[in-house]
Parts: sequence; C-alpha cells; structure tokens
Amino acid sequence: DAGITQSPRHKVTETGTPVTLRCHQTENHRYMYWYRQDPGHGLRLIHYSYGVKDTDKGEVSDGYSVSRSKTEDFLLTLESATSSQTSVYFCAISAVQSNEKLFFGSGTQLSVL
Amino acid sequence: DAKTTQPPSMDCAEGRAANLPCNHSTISGNEYVYWYRQIHSQGPQYIIHGLKNNETNEMASLIITEDRKSSTLILPHATLRDTAVYYCIVRTEGGSEKLVFGKGTKLTVNP
Repeated sequence: DAGITQSPRHKVTETGTPVTLRCHQTENHRYMYWYRQDPGHGLRLIHYSYGVKDTDKGEVSDGYSVSRSKTEDFLLTLESATSSQTSVYFCAISAVQSNEKLFFGSGTQLSVL
Repeated sequence: DAKTTQPPSMDCAEGRAANLPCNHSTISGNEYVYWYRQIHSQGPQYIIHGLKNNETNEMASLIITEDRKSSTLILPHATLRDTAVYYCIVRTEGGSEKLVFGKGTKLTVNP
C-alpha cells in the first residue's frame, strides 16, 4: 500500500470553528488531491496540488483552502466550518500527471455540529 | 459531471464472473478508461486502466470496445471481498489532477 496517512481519522467540531486536515505521504509523489465523499454525490474533487506551493481548485472548492509547503504534506483547511462540510474527506496522490493511477488514504470523517 | 454511465447496482454469485459495464460515448481519442473500487469505509483502490487494447492484471480484465464508447470490467471469480462500489472513470482534459468520479456501480457478491 502507498504510504499515505490522513489525520485525524475522525473529528467532531462546531459550526464556525476552523479545521485543518492533514495528508502526509512517504512516496515522494508530485501530485496530491483532496476529495470529499457524500451520499448521492460520489467523490468530488476539492483542491489539488501539482507541486510544492502549486495548487489549484477542483469542482467544490468554496469554503476550503489548501497549502503545500513541502512535498510530503498537503493540508486542507476549513476556515469556518459549516454543517454542509460534514463529510468523509479523502487524500490521494499520484506520481505523474498523465494516465497515472491514484493512491488514496483511508479518509477522515468530519462532523460539523 | 462524470463522462461515464454505469448501472447503479449489480449482483453476482460467489465464484462466478462479475461483468461490470460502463458507457463513455463521448470519450476522446487520447483519453484513458480507469476503474477503481471502494470497499465500505475505505479509500478508493485502483484496479486497472486502458486506452484501446484489452488489459489484464492480477485483479481484473478490462475489455474496451473497438469504437471505445463502452467498456466492461471483468472480475473472473468474484469473492465476497469483491463487494464494493466500482467506478469507471474517463480522464478529462488537463491531466489526472481532474479525475472525476461518478456514482459508480454497487456490486454485491452473494454466497
């Protein structure tokens, strides 16, 4: 299995509080992604990174920001969490841009009350 | 939106072949077809991918029609542990960073 660690695995927080989820990889892969998964919607891309300090928005980026200060870490921040951001969040990595498979982490279950 | 169409659910008997169809009628010439699966409460897992030729690995076979408008993922001898949601994905323009997952097919393998 690819070396991807997501932390925390579970978090409960209150509306309006900031939350940061961490994805750590030991594979030295260039590309990293954050997805959220909700019933009826499948997996949706939030943000992705194609290198240190290089990030771009996915299809559901509103309310989220990301940072990648080093190759191995990709942080997802909810500046002011809302109940609509209750979801399971998955981090993924890939080595190259074209036709390369993604490796996924085990996910973070976030509940915003 | 996803560029693929899959049945929402399928059933298969344990030990039999599971054939999961996927339609991707608008696929472009340089786009690949990927298959992933997601077992309950786990992250998605890569299975196989292909461009135009049929592909086989230790997990499955991928059959792509000659016109590339559809494909079939074949699990030759399904086990209970193959129960999962299977996603067929076409890589969009701009590279794999914009891989789009649809709703997939929930495959249930029955004893």
